[in-house]
Amino acid sequence: NAGVTQTPKFQVLKTGQSMTLQCAQDMNHEYMSWYRQDPGMGLRLIHYSVGAGITDQGEVPNGYNVSRSTTEDFPLRLLSAAPSQTSVYFCASSPWGGLQETQYFGPGTRLLVL
Amino acid sequence: AQSVSQHNHHVILSEAASLELGCNYSYGGTVNLFWYVQYPGQHLQLLLKYFSGDPLVKGIKGFEAEFIKSKFSFNLRKPSVQWSDTAEYFCAGTSGSARQLTFGSGTQLTVLP
Repeated sequence: NAGVTQTPKFQVLKTGQSMTLQCAQDMNHEYMSWYRQDPGMGLRLIHYSVGAGITDQGEVPNGYNVSRSTTEDFPLRLLSAAPSQTSVYFCASSPWGGLQETQYFGPGTRLLVL
Repeated sequence: AQSVSQHNHHVILSEAASLELGCNYSYGGTVNLFWYVQYPGQHLQLLLKYFSGDPLVKGIKGFEAEFIKSKFSFNLRKPSVQWSDTAEYFCAGTSGSARQLTFGSGTQLTVLP
């Protein structure tokens, strides 16, 4: 199993550009989520999904869109990038999103917005 | 609101020193607590977790943590650190019906050889 994969590894955008960060998992997990990691702030939840067709907002959803058309994929869209979105983005998954479940993380995407 | 606090932002130790990283949470009711670790250039991975039973939980690589409900704490410990323990350590928690994992701000541990 590849686990959780993310592409690209690194991206530079100009302010106002749009892009999609890809996340896929091959563990048949129902729960998937996106976090951003900023220095001194730990990881903050952006959006999450408890299954195909179901998404919900996390702590910091503004400026980001998600959709979940399949169990395997959970892309994160930046509609109009801003410098404040410069961060490292992590995708994670777990079997059902249960409160005691271990989250499995991808390798991260480092995004720089100029 | 739920929160998790880590007060040590950067800890520097020499090999063989003992380690204790602080974590406090502000949940009510039943809590589930985790320690994740991010080694340089690697994915975050689970070190250990607590959700019920024995408040002293053991994880991988010789780490352990103690859940002290009266102090709202879940500190991570290791009796003797190694250079390979250099990493960033995150405490995290869930509570109640919220399907959201709340992370602390992280502690960067540097172990000097």
